[in-house]
Amino acid sequence: AQSVTQLGSHVSVSEGALVLLRCNYSSSVPPYLFWYVQYPNQGLQLLLKYTSAATLVKGINGFEAEFKKSETSFHLTKPSAHMSDAAEYFCAVSSASGAGSYQLTFGKGTKLSVIP
Amino acid sequence: IAGITQAPTSQILAAGRRMTLRCTQDMRHNAMYWYRQDLGLGLRLIHYSNTAGTTGKGEVPDGYSVSRANTDDFPLTLASAVPSQTSVYFCASSSHRGNEQFFGPGTRLTVL
Repeated sequence: AQSVTQLGSHVSVSEGALVLLRCNYSSSVPPYLFWYVQYPNQGLQLLLKYTSAATLVKGINGFEAEFKKSETSFHLTKPSAHMSDAAEYFCAVSSASGAGSYQLTFGKGTKLSVIP
Repeated sequence: IAGITQAPTSQILAAGRRMTLRCTQDMRHNAMYWYRQDLGLGLRLIHYSNTAGTTGKGEVPDGYSVSRANTDDFPLTLASAVPSQTSVYFCASSSHRGNEQFFGPGTRLTVL
């Protein structure tokens, strides 16, 4: 079975500071990994994805994430936070669950607040 | 604009009533999904469909049913709603299971 752990349900950063949102996963097979963002009263929007190509993945809005197999981590970073980055962020893992099917499992989410 | 639409946007429902949440996508994606989102629990998969004509159970299927008569539509039915089904429901689709999923705007359901 696969699982995702997001460390910190709520993270606060100052505007202009580094954003670091942590995600660790467990999967018995090579995973696909995703970060989604959810703005208030909206659906989820894909930020970036890892699908076994480059380990450093660049996404939209200046975010990037690095896949570290040895640490089973896929942390999300952004060098300089903007007020518009305030949202909830979800890490997700997708891996084969047999018979050609896949399961996408989400972490519980991290709410990012940006302080002016 | 291509994407996923959900209806209704929100609904207040009396316990015991039957309710169908609608989901339509125009991206010709094979796979579709229903999730519920609850505070502190993240998104949990209710049911999924790998392709038209097939469905499967997710993590929390009890009290819900789905059908997939064609590629575009994936309705979710609550046969007899209970207050614990109060939640925000998201429909999603992907070109196949394992690829990134695209989400609809959600339906906020309150069961009293």
